[in-house]
Amino acid sequence: DAKTTQPPSMDCAEGRAANLPCNHSTISGNEYVYWYRQIHSQGPQYIIHGLKNNETNEMASLIITEDRKSSTLILPHATLRDTAVYYCIVKNSGYALNFGKGTSLLVTP
Amino acid sequence: DVKVTQSSRYLVKRTGEKVFLECVQDMDHENMFWYRQDPGLGLRLIYFSYDVKMKEKGDIPEGYSVSREKKERFSLILESASTNQTSMYLCASSLRRVTNYGYTFGSGTRLTVV
Repeated sequence: DAKTTQPPSMDCAEGRAANLPCNHSTISGNEYVYWYRQIHSQGPQYIIHGLKNNETNEMASLIITEDRKSSTLILPHATLRDTAVYYCIVKNSGYALNFGKGTSLLVTP
Repeated sequence: DVKVTQSSRYLVKRTGEKVFLECVQDMDHENMFWYRQDPGLGLRLIYFSYDVKMKEKGDIPEGYSVSREKKERFSLILESASTNQTSMYLCASSLRRVTNYGYTFGSGTRLTVV
């Protein structure tokens, strides 16, 4: 599975868009990009995933570059409840997901 | 909604005790997983199971074993608890392959070994 690189921490003002980057330069053609988040003292929560095309759901948008070597998770209007650790994971169709250390996002009033 | 239920939220055990952590899911998922989470180390996979009675080692299986006698239940066993097994333990489940909705996690069990 491809490795991912994320900044350890980011800040965002409440109501603004939070853009969380992820580098995955060794990604291969059949590997998906997944995003999860973990709010303090809870289990991780699935957010979104994609292969090549940009994706959007009720929680977030996922932008994947054309060469697929990086992606950005966008929370369009961050709230205080979006403060969490966000994990970018690249995985093929195997069983297990390997979580890295993620990005700690702090949303401030 | 899929529910993954871990039997205890907090647990305190003594060194050398045999410890059972239980996880139950209610959506007929084939795959179940046990992770531990420690500050600065992120989530690390201990064991997973892709079917009843089947198990595979993850990245850090030493000191642990698992049991999957029924599809909905996946147990993590610490044969002889040690202080370095003090951690947050997270159970997860998914359909047979990683799907659109990926994993569903339980709320975790915070185990302290004294």
